[in-house]
Amino acid sequence: NAGVTQTPKFQVLKTGQSMTLQCAQDMNHEYMSWYRQDPGMGLRLIHYSVGAGITDQGEVPNGYNVSRSTTEDFPLRLLSAAPSQTSVYFCASRRMTGELFFGEGSRLTVL
Amino acid sequence: TQLLEQSPQFLSIQEGENLTVYCNSSSVFSSLQWYRQEPGEGPVLLVTVVTGGEVKKLKRLTFQFGDARKDSSLHITAAQTGDTGLYLCAGPNNDMRFGAGTRLTVKP
Repeated sequence: NAGVTQTPKFQVLKTGQSMTLQCAQDMNHEYMSWYRQDPGMGLRLIHYSVGAGITDQGEVPNGYNVSRSTTEDFPLRLLSAAPSQTSVYFCASRRMTGELFFGEGSRLTVL
Repeated sequence: TQLLEQSPQFLSIQEGENLTVYCNSSSVFSSLQWYRQEPGEGPVLLVTVVTGGEVKKLKRLTFQFGDARKDSSLHITAAQTGDTGLYLCAGPNNDMRFGAGTRLTVKP
């Protein structure tokens, strides 16, 4: 029972580079989301999706793109990385009861 | 400003002590959730409170939802080193929004 799987766990980028953080869930949850976690700021919502083909912006969407072509996958794209995007990123899926299930996180450093 | 304000931000206590952490908002929530996060891992749900005034117990942890459904508290009795972690409250607001958390350290 894998739950929510995020890759990669660690990544170092140079300013201006692009990359995709992968997220997959095997619980058939319709709802998925991406958060970033920074010291003293808790978890801030980047983007979320209520089902395949539907995405919406959260609190801090600038600099990030998402798509949801399948129920299982919800990748997060950084088109041109900036040092301000250095953070720990968490993907989550949500049960109908409202419980969020999180991946183990992806630690991104942008130099 | 955060939709959900948590206090204190940091708390360091000795094993065996009691503690309470708080989650406050100016908004009314249909429910609030509490999560615990350990280093290197994602948050894990502890409890969901739904009814104003509700009290839920999870072993040594007692969760209360305020009567007006704007605030919640988490009380830990006789803290253990295994309680160390980041405690986050979260509430639905179009999507699930989190407070900044209380980082608890329980020393042996």
